[in-house]
Amino acid sequence: GAGVSQSPRYKVAKRGQDVALRCDPISGHVSLFWYQQALGQGPEFLTYFQNEAQLDKSGLPSDRFFAERPEGSVSTLKIQRTQQEDSAVYLCASLRGRVGGNQPQHFGDGTRLSIL
Amino acid sequence: EDKVVQSPLSLVVHEGDTVTLNCSYEVTNFRSLLWYKQEKKAPTFLFMLTSSGIEKKSGRLSSILDKKELFSILNITATQTGDSAVYLCAGLIIQGAQKLVFGQGTRLTINP
Repeated sequence: GAGVSQSPRYKVAKRGQDVALRCDPISGHVSLFWYQQALGQGPEFLTYFQNEAQLDKSGLPSDRFFAERPEGSVSTLKIQRTQQEDSAVYLCASLRGRVGGNQPQHFGDGTRLSIL
Repeated sequence: EDKVVQSPLSLVVHEGDTVTLNCSYEVTNFRSLLWYKQEKKAPTFLFMLTSSGIEKKSGRLSSILDKKELFSILNITATQTGDSAVYLCAGLIIQGAQKLVFGQGTRLTINP
C-alpha cells in the first residue's frame, strides 16, 4: 500500500483481556518497528523486526507483550492480560532497507488502546 | 540512559510569527537527529540531520544540528494555522539494530 496501515484505529478492552494490534507496512519494506505513545509523551521504542527476524525486543515492558512478523510482512503486537497502564497509542513504522541507511522511518496512524 | 529533551513543551504564537523549537540529546551510538510533525495521526517526517552545521530547508521550515553541543533547532518562519501540531525530535541509535529515542514533543499552537 501507499503508507503504513494499522488496525483497528481504536480498541477498547476490559482489564485482563487479551488484545491484538495489526500493522501492514509499506510494501517491500524490510524493517518494521513498534512504538508506544502515552498521552502527552513522545513515542517509546518497543521492538524491531528485520524481515521475519525480531532483532531487538528490549523495549517491550513485560512478558505480557509479544510481537511477531511470521512472513516478513504484516506484524501483530499482542498484549495479554491487559492492565490500565497499557492504555496508549501504539504506532508502527517501517523502513525500506536494513539498519544503517539514511532513510527515515515512516509511521502509521496508530491504534489507540483504552483499557477500562 | 539515552535521553532527548525538547523545549519549550508548549508554545502559542500569532500567525506570521517566527518560532524556534529546541532539542538536546544524550544518546549513545548516535547516528542522526530526526524531526517529525504530529497532528492527530501519524508522525510525518520533516528532516533527518546527520552532519553538524549544515542547514536543511523545506519551504518555511529549516533545521540544523550541532554535534559538539548535542542539540538541534527547528525554525518555522511566517507561521500559519496549519503549522499547529506537536513537533517531535528523535535521536537515531544504530547498534546492531536501530531505534529512535524521542523527546516529549513541543505542542505548537498558531492563533489567527
